[in-house]
Amino acid sequence: AQSVSQHNHHVILSEAASLELGCNYSYGGTVNLFWYVQYPGQHLQLLLKYFSGDPLVKGIKGFEAEFIKSKFSFNLRKPSVQWSDTAEYFCAVKQNDYKLSFGAGTTVTVRA
Amino acid sequence: DGGITQSPKYLFRKEGQNVTLSCEQNLNHDAMYWYRQDPGQGLRLIYYSQIVNDFQKGDIAEGYSVSREKKESFPLTVTSAQKNPTAFYLCASSILHEQFFGPGTRLTVL
Repeated sequence: AQSVSQHNHHVILSEAASLELGCNYSYGGTVNLFWYVQYPGQHLQLLLKYFSGDPLVKGIKGFEAEFIKSKFSFNLRKPSVQWSDTAEYFCAVKQNDYKLSFGAGTTVTVRA
Repeated sequence: DGGITQSPKYLFRKEGQNVTLSCEQNLNHDAMYWYRQDPGQGLRLIYYSQIVNDFQKGDIAEGYSVSREKKESFPLTVTSAQKNPTAFYLCASSILHEQFFGPGTRLTVL
């Protein structure tokens, strides 16, 4: 089974700081990669996705992620966070079937 | 307004009782999923269904059962055999590669 690792359990930072969340996966074949976000009290929603092509993908709310195939990584970044970015972030990987494998999640707390 | 609905939002049951969680979608998606979310463990797949009248076990299916009699509906039953049922349960549906999630049901077994 696919294994997805998120390096940080909890990240605390101040507004305007830069954010980078790590994600590594175990499968070496063709994968689809996703970052989901869960704001307090809200649905899990898609931030961005990578299927093929340009390995630098841009998502909603100023987030971007870079797929590095040689490192099996799909790290999420945002140059300048806002208080409203406080949420839990999940990396997910899909192989050849319908199933998504999720990482354990990273809680991001942004202090005003 | 299209989307996925889960009811109820909070559910309390006594130990030893079966309980059924509802999931309905009006997105016309073929595939539907049930996940369990526990703190520090992310989302783990319980069951999924790619088409009506068909479903497969996910990674943690023991103690759970599902049915898929209609395209719109994918109810999950948490049975008394599930040793640690207290959790947050998320339903999802998908078209092609992207999954869409419902608001979740928080089940507490007393």
